[in-house]
Amino acid sequence: EAQVTQNPRYLITVTGKKLTVTCSQNMNHEYMSWYRQDPGLGLRQIYYSMNVEVTDKGDVPEGYKVSRKEKRNFPLILESPSPNQTSLYFCASSYGDKDTQYFGPGTRLTVL
Amino acid sequence: LAKTTQPISMDSYEGQEVNITCSHNNIATNDYITWYQQFPSQGPRFIIQGYKTKVTNEVASLFIPADRKSSTLSLPRVSLSDTAVYYCLVLKLSFGAGTTVTVRA
Repeated sequence: EAQVTQNPRYLITVTGKKLTVTCSQNMNHEYMSWYRQDPGLGLRQIYYSMNVEVTDKGDVPEGYKVSRKEKRNFPLILESPSPNQTSLYFCASSYGDKDTQYFGPGTRLTVL
Repeated sequence: LAKTTQPISMDSYEGQEVNITCSHNNIATNDYITWYQQFPSQGPRFIIQGYKTKVTNEVASLFIPADRKSSTLSLPRVSLSDTAVYYCLVLKLSFGAGTTVTVRA
């Protein structure tokens, strides 16, 4: 089944404790991206990747890192999480940056 | 960056047609317009995509005027299960804030 998976689905952590949210797709998509969704603000892009080893900043990259060592995986890294990063995070993938994006189920992160 | 603007919420009744308009004044020549549907606790799901004029599929129609500065998603004969948040996307970086459509019995 074609899908985008994210782990964990729910995470509660404390300020400053490094964490990684994994994202994996099995559709051989070249384009992957991370979004955060906050009430009243909709979906805002954090980082995106056009292909392996190619990443770039989106609208709200501060406080986040990503890597794209393999085509199927695009982890989101929070080196030192802060409470303002409490949000719902979605990973998405597509063949190209203008193609239909397929979204993962979301990761709800709470930073205390 | 292109910015998209859409209404925050809309109410409708079962069986009615719902039209949601998204404004994207700074759309670039080679940008497509895509609409997504999102239910609570789920990721957005693709509904329809278009470049200009009209596109129709089994769930919706998309109307795009000649200047492409806006687009209108049309949901025919909505049901309770169409209650969701609808997003328009022009550039990969610029989702609208979403329109919550509530369908009442």
